[in-house]
Amino acid sequence: GAVVSQHPSRVICKSGTSVKIECRSLDFQATTMFWYRQFPKKSLMLMATSNEGSKATYEQGVEKDKFLINHASLTLSTLTVTSAHPEDSSFYICSAIDRWGQETQYFGPGTRLLVL
Amino acid sequence: GESVGLHLPTLSVQEGDNSIINCAYSNSASDYFIWYKQESGKGPQFIIDIRSNMDKRQGQRVTVLLNKTVKHLSLQIAATQPGDSAVYFCAETLRGSNYKLTFGKGTLLTVNP
Repeated sequence: GAVVSQHPSRVICKSGTSVKIECRSLDFQATTMFWYRQFPKKSLMLMATSNEGSKATYEQGVEKDKFLINHASLTLSTLTVTSAHPEDSSFYICSAIDRWGQETQYFGPGTRLLVL
Repeated sequence: GESVGLHLPTLSVQEGDNSIINCAYSNSASDYFIWYKQESGKGPQFIIDIRSNMDKRQGQRVTVLLNKTVKHLSLQIAATQPGDSAVYFCAETLRGSNYKLTFGKGTLLTVNP
């Protein structure tokens, strides 16, 4: 149980284009999902908290117009990197909390984004 | 900034030995702690958790110890195996914080055969 998937697992795009990453909770409902960014050999940095049916809460320094988050259902949250630039290249990871369980965050496998 | 840190960034052990990974946290109000394992190119995997009303919790081959007096958390892995090689992160959270986690820097565990 508590499986979280992400799609795509890897994406390469041209500078200036937008990329959408999906995060799904496969066997549970998640009212809260999180989006993290991780650079090589570094820890996870929280970007935003995504709550189903409401606007996401962004961490300080994270541009909400740059990283659009939509949490339209209890099993799906999406992160769209708009007008991507090479500095947006990173490993993006989502996590989800089971609405009926404990507060443990279960993580997806991550999405590797490379912007050329 | 990060409020959770680690004493050792790398740890190398022999297969079969016990491993101990340490973590210090700075928020004395944190009431829930989690250890995650992250293999290269993958997302973090839940290992074990502990609440602040406990000082020890055991799982399969793993034990987490919590010392609230000195704000210290440790992960013990018994009979370490090559498959245990990964980066281990401790994370803390506070009830009422909308479940936001604060991660430590991570420790790279290498198990030598």
